[in-house]
Amino acid sequence: LAKTTQPISMDSYEGQEVNITCSHNNIATNDYITWYQQFPSQGPRFIIQGYKTKVTNEVASLFIPADRKSSTLSLPRVSLSDTAVYYCLVGDGLGGTASKLTFGTGTRLQVTL
Amino acid sequence: GAVVSQHPSRVICKSGTSVKIECRSLDFQATTMFWYRQFPKQSLMLMATSNEGSKATYEQGVEKDKFLINHASLTLSTLTVTSAHPEDSSFYICSAEDRETQYFGPGTRLLVL
Repeated sequence: LAKTTQPISMDSYEGQEVNITCSHNNIATNDYITWYQQFPSQGPRFIIQGYKTKVTNEVASLFIPADRKSSTLSLPRVSLSDTAVYYCLVGDGLGGTASKLTFGTGTRLQVTL
Repeated sequence: GAVVSQHPSRVICKSGTSVKIECRSLDFQATTMFWYRQFPKQSLMLMATSNEGSKATYEQGVEKDKFLINHASLTLSTLTVTSAHPEDSSFYICSAEDRETQYFGPGTRLLVL
């Protein structure tokens, strides 16, 4: 299972763009990159998933360089409600059996006024 | 995205009793579900992989006789904590995969007195 490394914590002011980078040097060819958000006493919530290049949805963008050894989650104009722990995970997303995910430490984002 | 539910959301029990936690995929079928445990201020730790119609696969260090898993249908997996002790108090979270993305349940808070 590919291991991921993220900053332990980040601070931001409300309204700023936040970029959280994750390293996954031993990512396998079949692995997708998925980011989750977790609030206290709740299960992780899916944010975005990608395989290569750039993916954008209504809440975030995910940038993946050509070598796929890292990825960056970009949150535009964060608000206080974005204060949470963000996890980057890699796993085998191809058809067949579901992939096991190994959670790293995650990044604790604190947004203030 | 797909929805995964858990029941109960929180449970308090006496030491020595058994507690059953249900995990359901509400709008998709899942041949594989995963069970995690999360202690305060820590990341999620994978406990076991629940396979529909077959035995669960446990991670190293997780006692299979203590954490009984049954995956009797494509939408339901149960985790039974047998003879619970205070050290089993934790936040238990399940997940299921739908079209190459894992979705997590809201979690179950277990407190063993």
